[in-house]
Amino acid sequence: AQRVTQPEKLLSVFKGAPVELKCNYSYSGSPELFWYVQYSRQRLQLLLRHISRESIKGFTADLNKGETSFHLKKPFAQEEDSAMYYCALSGPSGSRLTFGEGTQLTVNP
Amino acid sequence: DAGVIQSPRHEVTEMGQEVTLRCKPISGHDYLFWYRQTMMRGLELLIYFNNNVPIDDSGMPEDRFSAKMPNASFSTLKIQPSEPRDSAVYFCASSSTSGLEQFFGPGTRLTVL
Repeated sequence: AQRVTQPEKLLSVFKGAPVELKCNYSYSGSPELFWYVQYSRQRLQLLLRHISRESIKGFTADLNKGETSFHLKKPFAQEEDSAMYYCALSGPSGSRLTFGEGTQLTVNP
Repeated sequence: DAGVIQSPRHEVTEMGQEVTLRCKPISGHDYLFWYRQTMMRGLELLIYFNNNVPIDDSGMPEDRFSAKMPNASFSTLKIQPSEPRDSAVYFCASSSTSGLEQFFGPGTRLTVL
């Protein structure tokens, strides 16, 4: 069975501080990992995926298979980063995504 | 393309009433997903379709919930009878066969009194 865990429901940091949103997963095969973001009054949307190895809006995430983690990081948080962040996992055999519980990030001025 | 369209955006109903939520996926997408979002449980997959066929409905809470996809451009999620604990935001999402990115609708905020 596949499972995604985001241990922090709420995370609050100050503007300019580094931020890390934790994500751990369990999956027996080779997963695809994603981060989705939901800004206030907007749709849930894809932020980044591990296979792309990209940096979006200053965020990066590295897949650590040894620790089964896919933490989302940004060195200097901005107020506009305040949003709900969901980590998600997909097995290679289908399009089903399993989402974590979500982390509400608040960046204070 | 306007993206995934959901209606209504807000629904307030009384316990025991039937509720029907509607979704129009992005044209050309073969997969359609229904999710429920609550503070306690986050985002839960209820059911998903591939080429209009239900593939996995293991997330549907109970028999009061049902979903249909009569054609490639329309799906419904029905709750009958509704209960206060069904209050949540219900999202519809779609994706193409070749892509793993899911595109979400704006959601329907359901309140059952």
